[in-house]
Amino acid sequence: QVQLVQSGADVKKPGASVKVSCQASGDTFTTYGVSWVRQAPGQGLEWMGWIDTFNGNTNYGHNFQGRVTMTRDTSTSTAYMELRNLRSDDTALYFCARDFRGRLDSWGQGTLVTVSS
Amino acid sequence: QSVLTQPPSASGTPGQTVTISCSGSRSNIGLNTVNWYQQLRGTAPKLLIYSNNQRPSGVPDRFSGSKSGTSASLAISGLQSEDEADYYCAAWDDSLNGRWVFGGGTKLAVL
Repeated sequence: QVQLVQSGADVKKPGASVKVSCQASGDTFTTYGVSWVRQAPGQGLEWMGWIDTFNGNTNYGHNFQGRVTMTRDTSTSTAYMELRNLRSDDTALYFCARDFRGRLDSWGQGTLVTVSS
Repeated sequence: QSVLTQPPSASGTPGQTVTISCSGSRSNIGLNTVNWYQQLRGTAPKLLIYSNNQRPSGVPDRFSGSKSGTSASLAISGLQSEDEADYYCAAWDDSLNGRWVFGGGTKLAVL
């Protein structure tokens, strides 16, 4: 069973950047992808993008292209999501999830990012 | 506006069977399998059903899924108070270089 542990909550000003980490354990990190999903307060789930942990290839959601970068460090089994030029409507819970065999089968606990001046 | 369409709410009494629908299009549900997630208040989503009708280990058989054409549904039988949660359907969408798409979520109340 894969466990994903994310970094803690963060508060940023509009225009700043945030970088959220997601450390995996319990399975070989490079055998699956990691998707990032966010959830604005009281809203549904929105997929942000995916990274292939084996080769670093990425596929970003249309709404985030140009503002998001997903990377990984295989030495620490950690995936990262950086979102730039933050706006107030980027305030949300950000989740990482193992993307494996057509499903998101393990999720991190979520990281609350608040964007406020 | 979510790509997949779910009813915003559903309800039932303990012991009843409740069904939640999910409607999509050819590029997502029509061509790919459907997953369902349960999100209890204040927690991360949990995979409930994958590949239309498969349950991960540990998920009770009270939960079942089905798919037909561009629609899918989740059925919960023998409703229990702990089933009160938000439920999301999801599918891979082959448009725009490929992406996961979700329903807007259905809030289930156990009365």
